[in-house]
Amino acid sequence: AQKITQTQPGMFVQEKEAVTLDCTYDTSDQSYGLFWYKQPSSGEMIFLIYQGSYDEQNATEGRYSLNFQKARKSANLVISASQLGDSAMYFCAMRVAYSGGGADGLTFGKGTHLIIQP
Amino acid sequence: DVKVTQSSRYLVKRTGEKVFLECVQDMDHENMFWYRQDPGLGLRLIYFSYDVKMKEKGDIPEGYSVSREKKERFSLILESASTNQTSMYLCATGTGFYEQYFGPGTRLTVT
Repeated sequence: AQKITQTQPGMFVQEKEAVTLDCTYDTSDQSYGLFWYKQPSSGEMIFLIYQGSYDEQNATEGRYSLNFQKARKSANLVISASQLGDSAMYFCAMRVAYSGGGADGLTFGKGTHLIIQP
Repeated sequence: DVKVTQSSRYLVKRTGEKVFLECVQDMDHENMFWYRQDPGLGLRLIYFSYDVKMKEKGDIPEGYSVSREKKERFSLILESASTNQTSMYLCATGTGFYEQYFGPGTRLTVT
């Protein structure tokens, strides 16, 4: 079974500062993917970034980057130059790929509530 | 754009009622998922389906069943609703490993 741990229930950050949201994971599988989602107060789940377990480069998407440290089983999300609109819940998730093809659903962490202050 | 719709945004039911939550997608996706979201617990997978009439249990299937008679529709069924099933229910769809598009959610209250 997989497990995702997000140790920061809440964070306050000043606007324009960089933010790091922590995520560690536990799995015995070799082939898996790591995801980050944003959930604003409106409730929609917005996909932010993906990292595959065999990817050697850290994933980047605009202001978002994923600091992937496979040996430490960590997949921290970094948001550069934070904005007021970044205030939301952030969820780290993982998905394991089966050797015969196919995959399970996502396993989520408990989330981090990020508040950006002006 | 992918569109995932859920039948109700808010729903109030009584204990013991049979409850149907519907999810419909318009992108011909094979994969559909049901999650529930509770404060402090994140999202947890209830059931998923990779094809019509096919279903797989997720992490917390107890008290729930599902139905997928058509590719575009995936229903979550609470046979006899209980107060501990009060939650936000999120449907997701996708094709392939990387994609899961989420619906807007149904906030269910069981009284």
